[in-house]
Amino acid sequence: QVQLVQSGAEVKKPGASVKVSCKASGYTFTSYGISWVRQAPGQGLEWMGWISAYNGNTNYAQKLQGRVTMTTDTSTSTAYMELRSLRSDDTAVYYCARDVISSGLLIRGYYFDYWGQGTLVTVSS
Amino acid sequence: DVVMTQSPLSLPVTLGQPASISCRSSQSLVHSDGNTYLNWFQQRPGQSPRRLIYKVSNRDSGVPDRFSGSGSGTDFTLKISRVEAEDVGVYYCMQGTHWPTWTFGQGTKVEIK
Repeated sequence: QVQLVQSGAEVKKPGASVKVSCKASGYTFTSYGISWVRQAPGQGLEWMGWISAYNGNTNYAQKLQGRVTMTTDTSTSTAYMELRSLRSDDTAVYYCARDVISSGLLIRGYYFDYWGQGTLVTVSS
Repeated sequence: DVVMTQSPLSLPVTLGQPASISCRSSQSLVHSDGNTYLNWFQQRPGQSPRRLIYKVSNRDSGVPDRFSGSGSGTDFTLKISRVEAEDVGVYYCMQGTHWPTWTFGQGTKVEIK
């Protein structure tokens, strides 16, 4: 069965960086992408960006450009999201979700069908 | 950028009664392949989001048939035919037509009166 298992909660100081992992199992990792979504306390869902596990191509939300980097390790079927220069408003639960690797594959519907359990990142001095 | 606007943002419903959530996009969501990649998610308290509907009206496996999606172009609707207690949560629409950029609506909180 498909599973996305994320790393544990983190507490960081303002200005620091955090790296969250998302380990995939139950499917061919390199045939899909991973999107990252975050949710601040009491707020809605915010899409952060996408990475292809096939070739490492990325697309980041404009507001996070320059602060976020998404990578994958195909040897361990793990995706990573690193966020730098943390601020208090980065406090949120961060989710990974399975995505496609090309627009032509959207038609199959295999996107955002599986999600990780979420990782709480708290930014506080 | 595409903006997704949901209404209402809060929806108190009586058990057994229908509920309807609207989602409007600032641009057409018809993809060049002819499909419309408008999706609906449910997020119960304390849980990860769960996809209910993809491509406007396709229910995911295990989703009760009281949930239905409809719409076209820029206007879409999620309907719950008879609300049950387990349907309490926040519902989000999300567009994928402009992949690899995804956009969520603000969310609609469904609660029992």
